[in-house]
Amino acid sequence: NAGVTQTPKFRVLKTGQSMTLLCAQDMNHEYMYWYRQDPGMGLRLIHYSVGEGTTAKGEVPDGYNVSRLKKQNFLLGLESAAPSQTSVYFCASSEQGYGYTFGSGTRLTVV
Amino acid sequence: DQQVKQNSPSLSVQEGRISILNCDYTNSMFDYFLWYKKYPAEGPTFLISISSIKDKNEDGRFTVFLNKSAKHLSLHIVPSQPGDSAVYFCAASAGAGSYQLTFGKGTKLSVIP
Repeated sequence: NAGVTQTPKFRVLKTGQSMTLLCAQDMNHEYMYWYRQDPGMGLRLIHYSVGEGTTAKGEVPDGYNVSRLKKQNFLLGLESAAPSQTSVYFCASSEQGYGYTFGSGTRLTVV
Repeated sequence: DQQVKQNSPSLSVQEGRISILNCDYTNSMFDYFLWYKKYPAEGPTFLISISSIKDKNEDGRFTVFLNKSAKHLSLHIVPSQPGDSAVYFCAASAGAGSYQLTFGKGTKLSVIP
């Protein structure tokens, strides 16, 4: 019963480097989300998807791109990492009208 | 502008006593409310929810109260246990079957043995 799996769990990037965070869910959920959590800021929505092949911007989308080529996967990309993107990233999935199931998070440090 | 507010960043409670976590919202379109619990180095997990057609929902030691006129909800934990020590997030959604949640900033609960 994997639920939502995020990889990697930890990563250190240098400023300007790129990387992709992978989120995979095995619950056949239509909706998927990427959040970042920062001290004192709570959970802020970066991008979300309402189905395979769709993506939309959330509250803090700048500096990030996403893709949902397969229903079970939602990728978050950082093209040119900045120290301001140091954060803990959470992926979540849901069905309409129900609460979210979250992954365990990716701790990213940009130096 | 924050639509879901948790004004207390932290709360300390003695084991066995009641913990009350508060949440206020500004968007009158919100009609479904949830509480999530988060331990360090883990993702948030669903705790309890309430629909706007109710004013109370209970699940074991956890009860959520909703006051629509005041746009206020609260989570009561009775009795509090050390394992309840975590960050609690309030979340809300708008519209029937809405899929998008708006989260508060969280309240860190510490239950002292």
